Amino acid sequence: GAGVSQSPSNKVTEKGKDVELRCDPISGHTALYWYRQSLGQGLEFLIYFQGNSAPDKSGLPSDRFSAERTGGSVSTLTIQRTQQEDSAVYLCASSLELFSPLHFGNGTRLTVT
Amino acid sequence: KNEVEQSPQNLTAQEGEFITINCSYSVGISALHWLQQHPGGGIVSLFMLSSGKKKHGRLIATINIQEKHSSLHITASHPRDSAVYICAVEARSQGNLIFGKGTKLSVKP
Repeated sequence: GAGVSQSPSNKVTEKGKDVELRCDPISGHTALYWYRQSLGQGLEFLIYFQGNSAPDKSGLPSDRFSAERTGGSVSTLTIQRTQQEDSAVYLCASSLELFSPLHFGNGTRLTVT
Repeated sequence: KNEVEQSPQNLTAQEGEFITINCSYSVGISALHWLQQHPGGGIVSLFMLSSGKKKHGRLIATINIQEKHSSLHITASHPRDSAVYICAVEARSQGNLIFGKGTKLSVKP
């Protein structure tokens, strides 16, 4: 598998529960990005990593959202105390470095009931 | 006003037509991306531009840095080109992407 892998592909959770979304970037890609797309809406940038560092967290919608990246590879996006408005497709992309072509994963569809 | 504006929002074309989608932005950028989102939701990066013009098959992307404008052209359009086309810019010296709202293209046979 040479592409960006996201898991799970679908997640249904109850309001108030915590969820973890995972992104495996392409090996060797130093930059990793998280986006989300709510139903009928455009893409919304959440956060990016350069290596393990996230220079700008201002795109995260609330303090219930956090993300980390370890070993310059796998990243997890955690949503605590999920709300119905968190329901969306969460997309991950990676690139060899900043300002390089993006490679997208297939996304995780999160449904909060 | 959005920092990235795309036009048109919706576009219906007949197979074979030449198609142009426009993107204007208001911030200083390091690069501009054209993305294609398939009806099933998957996203593919078509082009990344910082200047000039790029061509891939029937797709051509141009950018004018001075005018802060980019265009995506599709020659000899085909129904399989039906998708949402998204323009996104990388703000200079930052890694975040600013997205346009997308252009929904439908190519009729």
